[in-house]
Amino acid sequence: DAGITQSPRHKVTETGTPVTLRCHQTENHRYMYWYRQDPGHGLRLIHYSYGVKDTDKGEVSDGYSVSRSKTEDFLLTLESATSSQTSVYFCASKAEMNTEAFFGQGTRLTVV
Amino acid sequence: GNSVTQMEGPVTLSEEAFLTINCTYTATGYPSLFWYVQYPGEGLQLLLKATKADDKGSNKGFEATYRKETTSFHLEKGSVQVSDSAVYFCALSDSNYQLIWGAGTKLIIKP
Repeated sequence: DAGITQSPRHKVTETGTPVTLRCHQTENHRYMYWYRQDPGHGLRLIHYSYGVKDTDKGEVSDGYSVSRSKTEDFLLTLESATSSQTSVYFCASKAEMNTEAFFGQGTRLTVV
Repeated sequence: GNSVTQMEGPVTLSEEAFLTINCTYTATGYPSLFWYVQYPGEGLQLLLKATKADDKGSNKGFEATYRKETTSFHLEKGSVQVSDSAVYFCALSDSNYQLIWGAGTKLIIKP
């Protein structure tokens, strides 16, 4: 299995606070992704990265920012958490364009 | 643009029944196609894949054939078990950076 770890696995935070989720991969994959998963919405892409310091927005990027300073790490920041950002967040990575992605175990975030 | 459509769930079957979960796609070029499975409380795991037309992906008794003429990649299993209960996602990867996902199909297997 590809080595992708997410931290933390669970987090409860208050509305208005900044939150950073971390994704770490040991596969030297070029592409990395952040998704959120909500009931009735499937997987929705937040941001993705196609190389170190190369990132772009997905379909639900408002209120989120990302950074990738090293190949292995992809950080997702909720700049000012809102209740609508309560969700399960998944990180994924893949080596090349037309290949499969490997997923982390997810982070369950609750904003109260 | 590219898209993936899969049958809505939940799909409820009895143990040992035959399973089909339909997946059709729209894409330019020659995408790779995937089925992922998500067990409760876990991340998505690759179940099987096919990279070109007429390829058959298979794993753990599941199969899917890449049909370019019908733009389909239906998931099948001859005899399901309670342990197959999960959410199944169809996806495609083209010459772009992204994976395009279906909405997911929840499968419930009753003993």
